[in-house]
This record gives sequence, C-alpha cells and structure tokens, in this order.
Amino acid sequence: EVQLVESGGDLVQPGRSLRLSCTASGFTFGDYTMSWVRQAPGKGLEWVGFIRSKVYGGTTEYAASAKGRFTVSRDDSKSIAYLQMNSLKTEDTAVYYCHRYHFWTGPDHWGQGTLVTVSA
Amino acid sequence: EIVLTQSPGTLSLSPGERATLSCRASQSLSSSYLAWYQQKPGQAPRLLIYGASSRATGIPDRFSGSGSGTDFTLTISRLEPEDFAVYYCQQYGSSAWTFGQGTKVEIK
Repeated sequence: EVQLVESGGDLVQPGRSLRLSCTASGFTFGDYTMSWVRQAPGKGLEWVGFIRSKVYGGTTEYAASAKGRFTVSRDDSKSIAYLQMNSLKTEDTAVYYCHRYHFWTGPDHWGQGTLVTVSA
Repeated sequence: EIVLTQSPGTLSLSPGERATLSCRASQSLSSSYLAWYQQKPGQAPRLLIYGASSRATGIPDRFSGSGSGTDFTLTISRLEPEDFAVYYCQQYGSSAWTFGQGTKVEIK
C-alpha cells in the first residue's frame, strides 16, 4: 500500500526555519517526482515546489512565493523528501502536503498533511 | 505562470443531478497535463482525473474529464451524497505547477 506521511510541522516565530519530512512507503520512491503543496486556513491549494527523480536529473522547481526561501530535497536511500523553509513569514501558515508524481499515473497519492503555524 | 480560472465558484445542485465544472487556462497546456481533485473538509485532496481525461485508480465512472488546449471540463453525471465537496483543477505541464481557485459543489 502506498503511503506518504508528512512530519515536522510546528508553531514557529517569524524569521525562523523549519524542515518538513515526507516519508514514503509501498512504492519505488526513486522513480517519482516528489512535490509539496500547501493550503492556508480556509483557502485553496497552492503548489510550493517539487524535485524530479534522479532519472530526470533530480532538479527542482519552485513557486515564486517559495523561491529563495524554500528548498526541496530528497534522500532516495531513506525514501524521504524534505522541504526546508527559511525566513518564515506569517503568510506561510498552512497545512503542507506532499504528493508523488509520475507521467503514467499523474499526481496520484498524497499525504495527510502537517500544520505549520508562523506566529509571534 | 499559467493561471487557471475555475467556474462557477459555487454550484448548488440536488443529488442525482449532473454537475459540469469548468477550468480555463491562461495559455495552452502541453499534452493536456491537467488534473482534477476533490477535497472534503479536513481531508487531503483526492485525485480524480489526470491527463485531462484519465480516471485515477478507484474513481467511479460517474466522474469524467474532457478538454484540451485552454478549456477543460469535469463532469459528474449523477451526483451522489458523497460528491458534495470542493473541486480543484491543476496544471502540471509547465515547470511551475498551478491550481485553480476551486469550485464548491453544495447541496441545493
């Protein structure tokens, strides 16, 4: 069974850093692009960034709101994707979801999310 | 950045009725890299359709997707009670993925 479990969400002060993890099981992690999406309270979905599989260079792409502050990385040996968030702002408060993507199956499986609250 | 505009914002229908949701892209999507999701309160999004018209695993056939270029449609042929939720479209054909703002399907 495919599972994605996010962790690392917390209450942090503005300007601080936080690292989220997305632990995968039930599939060949290295074959998939891994993406992060967030949802602010009562708002819609916002794509944050993704990292391609090593076959496609392991390169990353980011939304404008994340570029320069957020970094997506992966450890295929541990089947974990990470979202490093620096210089956090109050507007980064959201539930953060990870999901996998493959050309043949689309952006299919998602985790249940982890809550990040940025507040003084 | 490709902007996706969903319409209507809210759709008020009764169980058994047909729902038609629209998603319009600001520029043509390459190879129809367009997905539709359903989201219920407190839950993660659930993939319904990818590649504009392919149903994801386990999705009932009352859900169908169509369209190409800049205009895409999600159709729910006969609404079941569990289908009342918020629906999002997403494009993943460019290097910057984006979502529409969502359509809420509510019980009339």
